[in-house]
Amino acid sequence: SQKIEQNSEALNIQEGKTATLTCNYTNYSPAYLQWYRQDPGRGPVFLLLIRENEKEKRKERLKVTFDTTLKQSLFHITASQPADSATYLCALDTERAGSYQLTFGKGTKLSVIP
Amino acid sequence: NAGVTQTPKFRILKIGQSMTLQCAQDMNHNYMYWYRQDPGMGLKLIYYSVGAGITDKGEVPNGYNVSRSTTEDFPLRLELAAPSQTSVYFCASSYRGGPVGELFFGEGSRLTVL
Repeated sequence: SQKIEQNSEALNIQEGKTATLTCNYTNYSPAYLQWYRQDPGRGPVFLLLIRENEKEKRKERLKVTFDTTLKQSLFHITASQPADSATYLCALDTERAGSYQLTFGKGTKLSVIP
Repeated sequence: NAGVTQTPKFRILKIGQSMTLQCAQDMNHNYMYWYRQDPGMGLKLIYYSVGAGITDKGEVPNGYNVSRSTTEDFPLRLELAAPSQTSVYFCASSYRGGPVGELFFGEGSRLTVL
């Protein structure tokens, strides 16, 4: 069966450290892999997209890697700040029944402790 | 630009009642989506539309209906509400569909069925 797994439901780290979140998937062949941020009571907000032929993407303090052999993406936040505390969602952009759809993982709740 | 606007933000329904969740976008996106988000379960695709007059089922369409008469609007209809439809509903849009790329989400509509 198809599965998207984000490494843990919750992750606590100290301010200033690098947070690393994991997204693993099985039985998908995504064209793109995306990461979103969701704050409590709000809609998800797009952060980064990485294509199947890209290994790494960066945006300010964010870095995403994508390994289609391991079927895994790593999402890094360097020099983390309390304002980075949120739930982070991984999403696969895959073809299903002739159209592309985004399928989401359950998310990892990140807490950055001052 | 307002982006994606959802109404209402909160609603309580009795079992068997019907209602429509409204969604409008002002970005001239052809592609629109309805997701539901349950605690610990991630976002599940209910219905999507690739343009005015064209809709299709997602992963969890039972108990819902949609229509798309204009590019801007994509209402979600709940017929005969059941407690299992208690959830937070998110509408989203994208400017492309193959692959999807970045999704723009509304702020959500929290529905409780009692």
